[in-house]
Amino acid sequence: QKEVEQNSGPLSVPEGAIASLNCTYSDRGSQSFFWYRQYSGKSPELIMSIYSNGDKEDGRFTAQLNKASQYVSLLIRDSQPSDSATYLCAVVAGANNLFFGTGTRLTVIP
Amino acid sequence: NAGVMQNPRHLVRRRGQEARLRCSPMKGHSHVYWYRQLPEEGLKFMVYLQKENIIDESGMPKERFSAEFPKEGPSILRIQQVVRGDSAAYFCASSLAGTLAREQYFGPGTRLTVT
Repeated sequence: QKEVEQNSGPLSVPEGAIASLNCTYSDRGSQSFFWYRQYSGKSPELIMSIYSNGDKEDGRFTAQLNKASQYVSLLIRDSQPSDSATYLCAVVAGANNLFFGTGTRLTVIP
Repeated sequence: NAGVMQNPRHLVRRRGQEARLRCSPMKGHSHVYWYRQLPEEGLKFMVYLQKENIIDESGMPKERFSAEFPKEGPSILRIQQVVRGDSAAYFCASSLAGTLAREQYFGPGTRLTVT
Protein backbone atom coordinates (compact mmCIF):
# COMPACT_ATOMS: atom_id res chain seq x y z
CA GLN A 1 0.00 0.00 0.00
CA LYS A 2 1.33 3.42 -0.92
CA GLU A 3 1.95 5.85 1.90
CA VAL A 4 0.10 8.66 0.16
CA GLU A 5 -2.48 8.30 -2.58
CA GLN A 6 -3.93 10.91 -4.88
CA ASN A 7 -6.05 10.81 -8.00
CA SER A 8 -3.68 11.49 -10.85
CA GLY A 9 -6.33 13.39 -12.77
CA PRO A 10 -6.34 15.28 -14.94
CA LEU A 11 -8.88 17.42 -13.17
CA SER A 12 -10.40 20.15 -15.30
CA VAL A 13 -12.44 23.02 -13.90
CA PRO A 14 -13.69 26.22 -15.52
CA GLU A 15 -12.20 29.53 -14.51
CA GLY A 16 -13.88 30.87 -11.37
CA ALA A 17 -14.99 27.45 -10.12
CA ILE A 18 -13.82 25.60 -7.02
CA ALA A 19 -11.18 22.92 -7.56
CA SER A 20 -11.18 20.10 -5.03
CA LEU A 21 -8.09 17.93 -4.63
CA ASN A 22 -8.03 14.88 -2.40
CA CYS A 23 -5.41 12.78 -0.69
CA THR A 24 -5.43 9.75 1.62
CA TYR A 25 -2.54 8.44 3.70
CA SER A 26 -1.80 5.16 5.40
CA ASP A 27 0.16 6.02 8.57
CA ARG A 28 -2.28 6.78 11.39
CA GLY A 29 0.50 8.37 13.40
CA SER A 30 1.17 11.11 10.83
CA GLN A 31 1.09 14.60 12.31
CA SER A 32 2.11 16.95 9.54
CA PHE A 33 0.55 17.42 6.12
CA PHE A 34 1.50 19.64 3.22
CA TRP A 35 0.31 20.67 -0.20
CA TYR A 36 2.84 21.60 -2.85
CA ARG A 37 2.24 23.04 -6.30
CA GLN A 38 4.54 22.04 -9.14
CA TYR A 39 4.47 23.69 -12.53
CA SER A 40 5.75 21.63 -15.44
CA GLY A 41 9.54 21.57 -15.43
CA LYS A 42 9.78 23.44 -12.13
CA SER A 43 10.37 22.51 -8.52
CA PRO A 44 7.64 21.94 -5.91
CA GLU A 45 6.44 25.06 -4.11
CA LEU A 46 4.94 24.81 -0.63
CA ILE A 47 1.47 26.36 -0.58
CA MET A 48 -0.20 24.98 2.55
CA SER A 49 0.64 23.11 5.72
CA ILE A 50 -1.87 21.70 8.19
CA TYR A 51 -1.36 19.90 11.47
CA SER A 52 -4.76 19.84 13.22
CA ASN A 53 -8.13 18.43 12.28
CA GLY A 54 -10.40 20.89 10.55
CA ASP A 55 -9.94 23.62 7.98
CA LYS A 56 -7.12 26.05 7.41
CA GLU A 57 -7.64 28.94 5.03
CA ASP A 58 -5.02 31.03 3.24
CA GLY A 59 -6.35 33.36 0.57
CA ARG A 60 -8.09 31.30 -2.10
CA PHE A 61 -6.74 28.04 -0.65
CA THR A 62 -8.35 25.93 2.07
CA ALA A 63 -6.75 22.77 3.42
CA GLN A 64 -8.93 20.27 5.23
CA LEU A 65 -7.67 17.51 7.49
CA ASN A 66 -9.57 14.54 8.92
CA LYS A 67 -7.19 12.31 10.84
CA ALA A 68 -9.88 9.77 11.73
CA SER A 69 -10.51 9.17 8.02
CA GLN A 70 -6.82 9.69 7.12
CA TYR A 71 -7.86 12.22 4.54
CA VAL A 72 -6.47 15.59 3.47
CA SER A 73 -7.95 17.86 0.85
CA LEU A 74 -7.19 21.16 -0.81
CA LEU A 75 -9.85 23.50 -2.13
CA ILE A 76 -8.98 26.28 -4.53
CA ARG A 77 -11.68 28.92 -4.79
CA ASP A 78 -12.13 31.19 -7.81
CA SER A 79 -9.74 29.04 -9.83
CA GLN A 80 -7.52 30.88 -12.28
CA PRO A 81 -5.67 29.61 -15.36
CA SER A 82 -2.44 30.30 -13.45
CA ASP A 83 -3.51 27.62 -10.94
CA SER A 84 -3.03 24.99 -13.67
CA ALA A 85 -0.29 22.76 -12.27
CA THR A 86 0.29 19.46 -10.53
CA TYR A 87 -0.61 19.48 -6.85
CA LEU A 88 1.37 17.21 -4.57
CA CYS A 89 0.13 16.00 -1.22
CA ALA A 90 2.91 15.24 1.29
CA VAL A 91 2.71 13.56 4.67
CA VAL A 92 5.31 13.09 7.38
CA ALA A 93 5.38 9.40 8.29
CA GLY A 94 7.77 7.65 10.60
CA ALA A 95 10.60 9.51 12.26
CA ASN A 96 11.92 11.55 9.42
CA ASN A 97 10.38 10.86 6.08
CA LEU A 98 8.18 13.12 4.02
CA PHE A 99 6.17 10.98 1.62
CA PHE A 100 4.69 12.48 -1.51
CA GLY A 101 1.74 11.38 -3.55
CA THR A 102 2.17 11.19 -7.30
CA GLY A 103 0.19 14.39 -7.70
CA THR A 104 -3.06 15.54 -9.28
CA ARG A 105 -2.80 17.50 -12.49
CA LEU A 106 -5.20 20.44 -12.48
CA THR A 107 -6.23 22.36 -15.59
CA VAL A 108 -8.28 25.54 -15.23
CA ILE A 109 -10.09 26.30 -18.46
CA PRO A 110 -10.47 30.01 -19.31
CA ASN B 1 18.45 35.36 -2.95
CA ALA B 2 17.85 33.53 0.32
CA GLY B 3 16.26 30.48 -1.30
CA VAL B 4 17.62 26.98 -1.70
CA MET B 5 20.28 26.90 -4.40
CA GLN B 6 21.28 23.97 -6.51
CA ASN B 7 23.89 23.62 -9.17
CA PRO B 8 24.33 22.75 -11.85
CA ARG B 9 20.80 23.14 -13.15
CA HIS B 10 21.47 20.73 -16.01
CA LEU B 11 24.11 18.04 -16.09
CA VAL B 12 24.92 15.64 -18.91
CA ARG B 13 27.09 12.63 -18.20
CA ARG B 14 28.07 9.61 -20.23
CA ARG B 15 27.50 6.16 -18.80
CA GLY B 16 30.21 5.28 -16.29
CA GLN B 17 31.07 8.86 -15.35
CA GLU B 18 30.49 10.48 -12.00
CA ALA B 19 27.84 13.10 -11.26
CA ARG B 20 28.14 15.61 -8.43
CA LEU B 21 25.11 17.65 -7.47
CA ARG B 22 25.36 20.52 -5.02
CA CYS B 23 22.81 22.09 -2.72
CA SER B 24 23.04 25.13 -0.48
CA PRO B 25 20.12 25.34 1.97
CA MET B 26 18.14 28.44 2.76
CA LYS B 27 19.83 30.83 5.14
CA GLY B 28 19.34 29.62 8.69
CA HIS B 29 18.33 26.10 7.66
CA SER B 30 20.49 23.24 8.82
CA HIS B 31 18.51 20.26 7.53
CA VAL B 32 18.82 19.07 3.96
CA TYR B 33 16.83 16.46 2.05
CA TRP B 34 17.43 15.00 -1.39
CA TYR B 35 14.67 13.70 -3.65
CA ARG B 36 14.58 12.14 -7.09
CA GLN B 37 11.76 12.63 -9.56
CA LEU B 38 11.44 10.50 -12.65
CA PRO B 39 9.30 11.78 -15.55
CA GLU B 40 5.59 11.47 -14.77
CA GLU B 41 6.37 10.05 -11.33
CA GLY B 42 6.25 11.39 -7.81
CA LEU B 43 9.05 12.65 -5.66
CA LYS B 44 11.00 9.88 -3.97
CA PHE B 45 12.88 10.58 -0.75
CA MET B 46 16.54 9.65 -0.91
CA VAL B 47 18.41 11.00 2.11
CA TYR B 48 18.12 13.41 5.02
CA LEU B 49 21.22 15.13 6.39
CA GLN B 50 22.24 17.61 9.01
CA LYS B 51 25.64 19.21 9.18
CA GLU B 52 28.22 16.41 9.21
CA ASN B 53 25.56 13.76 9.84
CA ILE B 54 23.44 11.46 7.73
CA ILE B 55 20.17 11.12 9.62
CA ASP B 56 18.23 8.86 7.26
CA GLU B 57 19.44 7.33 4.02
CA SER B 58 16.72 4.72 3.70
CA GLY B 59 15.74 5.96 0.24
CA MET B 60 19.22 5.92 -1.19
CA PRO B 61 20.29 3.07 -3.48
CA LYS B 62 22.88 0.95 -1.68
CA GLU B 63 25.47 1.21 -4.41
CA ARG B 64 26.95 4.12 -6.38
CA PHE B 65 25.06 6.82 -4.46
CA SER B 66 26.41 8.82 -1.54
CA ALA B 67 25.62 12.11 0.13
CA GLU B 68 27.35 14.46 2.50
CA PHE B 69 26.74 17.77 4.19
CA PRO B 70 30.07 19.03 5.51
CA LYS B 71 30.55 21.58 8.25
CA GLU B 72 31.47 24.15 5.62
CA GLY B 73 30.05 24.29 2.14
CA PRO B 74 27.09 22.81 0.31
CA SER B 75 25.54 19.39 0.57
CA ILE B 76 26.69 17.08 -2.21
CA LEU B 77 24.89 14.15 -3.78
CA ARG B 78 27.36 11.97 -5.62
CA ILE B 79 26.47 9.32 -8.16
CA GLN B 80 29.32 7.13 -9.31
CA GLN B 81 29.37 5.17 -12.57
CA VAL B 82 26.10 6.63 -13.77
CA VAL B 83 23.68 4.54 -15.82
CA ARG B 84 20.82 5.62 -18.07
CA GLY B 85 18.30 4.84 -15.32
CA ASP B 86 19.85 7.60 -13.20
CA SER B 87 18.47 10.22 -15.60
CA ALA B 88 16.01 12.22 -13.54
CA ALA B 89 15.43 15.51 -11.79
CA TYR B 90 17.15 15.67 -8.42
CA PHE B 91 15.71 18.11 -5.94
CA CYS B 92 17.17 19.34 -2.72
CA ALA B 93 14.99 20.76 0.06
CA SER B 94 15.86 22.38 3.34
CA SER B 95 14.05 22.97 6.59
CA LEU B 96 14.56 25.07 9.67
CA ALA B 97 14.43 22.15 12.08
CA GLY B 98 13.95 18.43 11.82
CA THR B 99 10.85 18.41 13.98
CA LEU B 100 7.46 17.09 13.10
CA ALA B 101 6.60 20.46 11.60
CA ARG B 102 9.26 20.06 8.95
CA GLU B 103 8.18 22.54 6.29
CA GLN B 104 10.55 21.86 3.45
CA TYR B 105 11.47 24.36 0.78
CA PHE B 106 12.77 23.12 -2.52
CA GLY B 107 15.56 24.27 -4.75
CA PRO B 108 15.20 24.52 -8.54
CA GLY B 109 16.58 21.04 -9.09
CA THR B 110 19.33 19.49 -11.16
CA ARG B 111 18.25 17.68 -14.29
CA LEU B 112 20.67 14.84 -14.92
CA THR B 113 20.81 13.26 -18.34
CA VAL B 114 22.92 10.15 -18.85
CA THR B 115 23.81 9.43 -22.45
